[in-house]
Amino acid sequence: DVKVTQSSRYLVKRTGEKVFLECVQDMDHENMFWYRQDPGLGLRLIYFSYDVKMKEKGDIPEGYSVSREKKERFSLILESASTNQTSMYLCASSFSQGLRNTIYFGEGSWLTVV
Amino acid sequence: KNEVEQSPQNLTAQEGEFITINCSYSVGISALHWLQQHPGGGIVSLFMLSSGKKKHGRLIATINIQEKHSSLHITASHPRDSAVYICAVHFGNEKLTFGTGTRLTIIP
Repeated sequence: DVKVTQSSRYLVKRTGEKVFLECVQDMDHENMFWYRQDPGLGLRLIYFSYDVKMKEKGDIPEGYSVSREKKERFSLILESASTNQTSMYLCASSFSQGLRNTIYFGEGSWLTVV
Repeated sequence: KNEVEQSPQNLTAQEGEFITINCSYSVGISALHWLQQHPGGGIVSLFMLSSGKKKHGRLIATINIQEKHSSLHITASHPRDSAVYICAVHFGNEKLTFGTGTRLTIIP
């Protein structure tokens, strides 16, 4: 079975702290994604990566950066956490098969910024 | 603008009832996913389809490309089906656009 593992399930951080959210997948997928999920807004794409060291901005990249040094690992970085970044963060990966892309999600990381 | 709309937002039903959740999208797509999210956050992909109909156990997903509409059906619903069901579409590329989800509660 494909597994997407997010390193932290629950975090509480202070405003201004630097926060790292780590995601690892074990199926050699090219594509990896970071989303945040907020009530009434659904999932929104922050950044995605289609290869090592490659990244593209999603719909809401402001306040975030990412790192993909190895194919299996995609990190989301909050350079200076703010209270409006309190949210649930989901990592996902997919193996591109033309237009038919099966996507796999991690369990989610609940971040509270106080 | 590429949009995905789901209905209803919330649905409560008695155990055993037949459930239908709807998804409409604004322009042509390459594929559509139905996802299930249980309390606690993790999301599981139920179906990916680009045409016709798929069935897995008590779950059935259909898509009508001309009408830009998909439905997820649950037969003989059970309390363990209680979850948020999310429709997500590929508007021709790797990225997904998500609906806001339907919260389903099945009462014993």
